[in-house]
This record gives sequence, C-alpha cells and structure tokens, in this order.
Amino acid sequence: KAGVTQTPRYLIKTRGQQVTLSCSPISGHRSVSWYQQTPGQGLQFLFEYFSETQRNKGNFPGRFSGRQFSNSRSEMNVSTLELGDSALYLCASSRATSGSYNEQFFGPGTRLTVL
Amino acid sequence: DQQVKQNSPSLSVQEGRISILNCDYTNSMFDYFLWYKKYPAEGPTFLISISSIKDKNEDGRFTVFLNKSAKHLSLHIVPSQPGDSAVYFCAAIYTRGNEKLTFGTGTRLTIIP
Repeated sequence: KAGVTQTPRYLIKTRGQQVTLSCSPISGHRSVSWYQQTPGQGLQFLFEYFSETQRNKGNFPGRFSGRQFSNSRSEMNVSTLELGDSALYLCASSRATSGSYNEQFFGPGTRLTVL
Repeated sequence: DQQVKQNSPSLSVQEGRISILNCDYTNSMFDYFLWYKKYPAEGPTFLISISSIKDKNEDGRFTVFLNKSAKHLSLHIVPSQPGDSAVYFCAAIYTRGNEKLTFGTGTRLTIIP
C-alpha cells in the first residue's frame, strides 16, 4: 500500500511569490491535515480537510489556505511569501472513522525555502 | 501558548543504556498521548501511544509512562540502539474535541556507539 506522497519535495521561492504544495493521502483515507515544522517550534497545525471541507484550522494567517478534492488529494497554498514561511510542510492522512482516535500517517514533507 | 512542551532539545545516550525522553502538557482536556519518531528527510512515524486511563504502555523496547497529576509523560527506550538516533516528538489530543494533534518541539536523541 502506497504511503502519503507530497510534491514537490523541495522548493525555492522569493518573498512576495505564492506557492502551492500537493499531498496525496493513503488510499481510503479521507482526512488530510497539514503541519508546518520549523526549528524550535515543532510541528504547528495548519488545517485539516475531510470530505472536501475544512474541519479544523490552526492559528495561521489567511495567507495560508488549502483545499481538498473529491479523490481526497489536498493542496495548500501560501500567498505573499515571507522569509519566515521557510519551513518543512508536512501532510498527514487518516481514515477519520468515528469512535476512536485515528492514527495519522505522515508524508516526507516539502522543504520550502523563501529567499 | 505551547500546550505540549519538550524542554530538552537534545539528549545523548550510550548504546545499550536507557534513553528517557520527557514531555509536559498544560491542557487537562488531553486524553490521548503519542510519541512520533522522525528521521531527516522523512515524515514523522508513529511509535507508541497511551490513553489517559492508563499510566503505562509497553511495546518491545519502548515504554511510555503517564503521570496525569503532574501532566507529564515520558518515553523510555531500553536498550538504546544506534538506529534510535532521531528526533522524537510528543503529541497530545482531546479525542472528544476536534481531534487536532498538538505537538511538542521535539528532542533530538543521539545514541553513541
């Protein structure tokens, strides 16, 4: 069974540009969550999508947005990039069945560098 | 507001000895706790978890202890092996709430051969 895939793996952008990152979840998983990892901050939750709807949102500015498609694939977009947006962006998928905690499986991440 | 804290950014342990990684939390609503392990250039992988109704969970060389009154959990690795060198993240969740995982800042464990 294929794991969570993220594209691209590495990206270099300049301040003011925008970027779109993609995540393909494990087959059968309907929930996709996005996290930002920076040194000293750990993993910060961005948002979660389930059945094409944003179900949870972290404390990030509106420049960070996302969406989910009918096949559960998800994209996140960051507009007007700032130097501080340089980070590893991780995507995680889960079955999201009700009744118990659903383990999240992480992709390898996209390393974004903003110059 | 960092609700999950890992106060040791790094830890070095001799191969074969015990590694103890610590984690503190502030939100008493958290009822499920997890440890993830992360190698460079890879995403975090689930290691072990514990429900708030338990105080210990063991899986092979890995044991997680939960002290609810102190809002503290720890991960014990015995014996430590070179392949255990990685960054370890503690995470917590309120399963009856919005199921949002809250992560600590991570501890880099280095096993010295």
